[in-house]
Amino acid sequence: NAGVMQNPRHLVRRRGQEARLRCSPMKGHSHVYWYRQLPEEGLKFMVYLQKENIIDESGMPKERFSAEFPKEGPSILRIQQVVRGDSAAYFCASSPPYTGYEQYFGPGTRLTVT
Amino acid sequence: GIQVEQSPPDLILQEGANSTLRCNFSDSVNNLQWFHQNPWGQLINLFYIPSGTKQNGRLSATTVATERYSLLYISSSQTTDSGVYFCAVIDNTDKLIFGTGTRLQVFP
Repeated sequence: NAGVMQNPRHLVRRRGQEARLRCSPMKGHSHVYWYRQLPEEGLKFMVYLQKENIIDESGMPKERFSAEFPKEGPSILRIQQVVRGDSAAYFCASSPPYTGYEQYFGPGTRLTVT
Repeated sequence: GIQVEQSPPDLILQEGANSTLRCNFSDSVNNLQWFHQNPWGQLINLFYIPSGTKQNGRLSATTVATERYSLLYISSSQTTDSGVYFCAVIDNTDKLIFGTGTRLQVFP
């Protein structure tokens, strides 16, 4: 049973470009979460999605960031017009379709903005 | 929102030593997880432990939900145990709230 998959593992973007991060949840999991880890800090919640629905986006910056989890295909975290402060590790987690269950994490995407 | 505090922030051990890491949380939670972030940055699930005690090899964890704390025990530490240990609680909106972590260094 494959774990949570994320790609790319490393992404370099120049200021002003767009970054697209992908996440495929574990088989049988329909809940996806995105977290961000700034250098030398803990992880902070960004957004919680189910298929075709954003359940909670209270941790997402109001501008430039968006997320989706379409009926088919991976979840996408999109960052438009990246700035240096967006440089971080972005982790995706998935869980079964029940409240409060264990979340399993992918390997993360390390975004560097130059 | 719920606050999660971990102690100690840093821990240096010699191989073979035992240690206890603590996680305090400020409100009732649905569940709690412990993670190990290895030096390559990967997050590894250690325990999913809303209450009670669990053991996995040299590691064990205890959560006392009524007193709002959890403990992670590492026995006979090895250099491969080095990294950052995070405690995270699941609140009533299903998101994980992470503590600031305990950075562990184990020397041979």
